[in-house]
Amino acid sequence: NAGVTQTPKFQVLKTGQSMTLQCAQDMNHEYMSWYRQDPGMGLRLIHYSVGAGITDQGEVPNGYNVSRSTTEDFPLRLLSAAPSQTSVYFCASRGTSVGTQYFGPGTRLLVL
Amino acid sequence: DQQVKQNSPSLSVQEGRISILNCDYTNSMFDYFLWYKKYPAEGPTFLISISSIKDKNEDGRFTVFLNKSAKHLSLHIVPSQPGDSAVYFCAATYTGANSKLTFGKGITLSVRP
Repeated sequence: NAGVTQTPKFQVLKTGQSMTLQCAQDMNHEYMSWYRQDPGMGLRLIHYSVGAGITDQGEVPNGYNVSRSTTEDFPLRLLSAAPSQTSVYFCASRGTSVGTQYFGPGTRLLVL
Repeated sequence: DQQVKQNSPSLSVQEGRISILNCDYTNSMFDYFLWYKKYPAEGPTFLISISSIKDKNEDGRFTVFLNKSAKHLSLHIVPSQPGDSAVYFCAATYTGANSKLTFGKGITLSVRP
């Protein structure tokens, strides 16, 4: 079972570059989210979606865009990368069970 | 303002002993709590959860206790095993939050053989 998949696993960007972090799930989950993990900060919610065509901001949305054209995919776009966006990014999805989310393996991003 | 607090950054216990990981929260709206386990270079994996209508939930070696009046929960691992060595995150949410989870900073558990 694939579950939640993320690509790429690792990426190096220069300041000002843009890129898209891909996330896909094959569990037909309506809810999908993006988190970032920084040392000493835990996981913080960037954006989330409650279904295709519906997205909303989380705790730290600035500098990121999302869209949800299909149930399966939830890409995260960095418009103009900054060193402060160096982090590990996790995509998550959940089904009907309240709260319980399944996480992808993460994308490690380094912005120089 | 941190709504979910894991004040101890690390814990070391002997194999076979009990591990107690603590978590405090400040938001009275939270009504569902979860623990996630994370190994290096992997995504967090769900471990155990508890609803605010309960004060205890048990799953094998893992038990979560909830004290609503104190806004405190704890995860007990008995007996601890070396494979339990990981980072443990406490998370909370509430009905109507659209599955948004608020995480603590995590606790690194080391189980010594």
